[in-house]
Amino acid sequence: GAVVSQHPSWVICKSGTSVKIECRSLDFQATTMFWYRQFPKQSLMLMATSNEGSKATYEQGVEKDKFLINHASLTLSTLTVTSAHPEDSSFYICSARAPYSNQPQHFGDGTRLSIL
Amino acid sequence: TQLLEQSPQFLSIQEGENLTVYCNSSSVFSSLQWYRQEPGEGPVLLVTVVTGGEVKKLKRLTFQFGDARKDSSLHITAAQPGDTGLYLCGGNTPLVFGKGTRLSVIA
Repeated sequence: GAVVSQHPSWVICKSGTSVKIECRSLDFQATTMFWYRQFPKQSLMLMATSNEGSKATYEQGVEKDKFLINHASLTLSTLTVTSAHPEDSSFYICSARAPYSNQPQHFGDGTRLSIL
Repeated sequence: TQLLEQSPQFLSIQEGENLTVYCNSSSVFSSLQWYRQEPGEGPVLLVTVVTGGEVKKLKRLTFQFGDARKDSSLHITAAQPGDTGLYLCGGNTPLVFGKGTRLSVIA
């Protein structure tokens, strides 16, 4: 079945550092990918929709200059957390769906980001 | 944004008990998905329900989509410790989720 791969799985870095997270669709082409954020004991919150070859669509309240999204190919989307601070620490999860009707979204295994 | 409400949010039961988790909305969905998430991992798709009134079974899990396609339920029979996790219902593209139901099954 469809598989979404996310890398890295865990990042610990100092405050002020920029961190890039990669999301790949392994056996299908994804014109659209999605980025979610999850705080401890909470559900997934949609941050943005990544569109191949065009600008990402951000949800209300998500800073696009803080969370840079690039979707340069049909199998890769990246999320860069710029100048990360401790409050950006969270579990970031990407998702993609095959471009056929009624296909569900599949999720990566997430990236745990810890900013010291 | 169509709001999905899940209940209960937390559930702790003994092994062998039955349970039902509910997912409700005031809006109509063309389909709903149920996912299960374990700590430190991404959600894994359990089922997609599409047709109003539809019932799908996955071993001890029974999923139902309401006739009006506004609500869904997940029933687990004879729960086992391996069922422990966060259960999420979601709809639309991109998927938006309810708050989830955190299930703990105690041996």
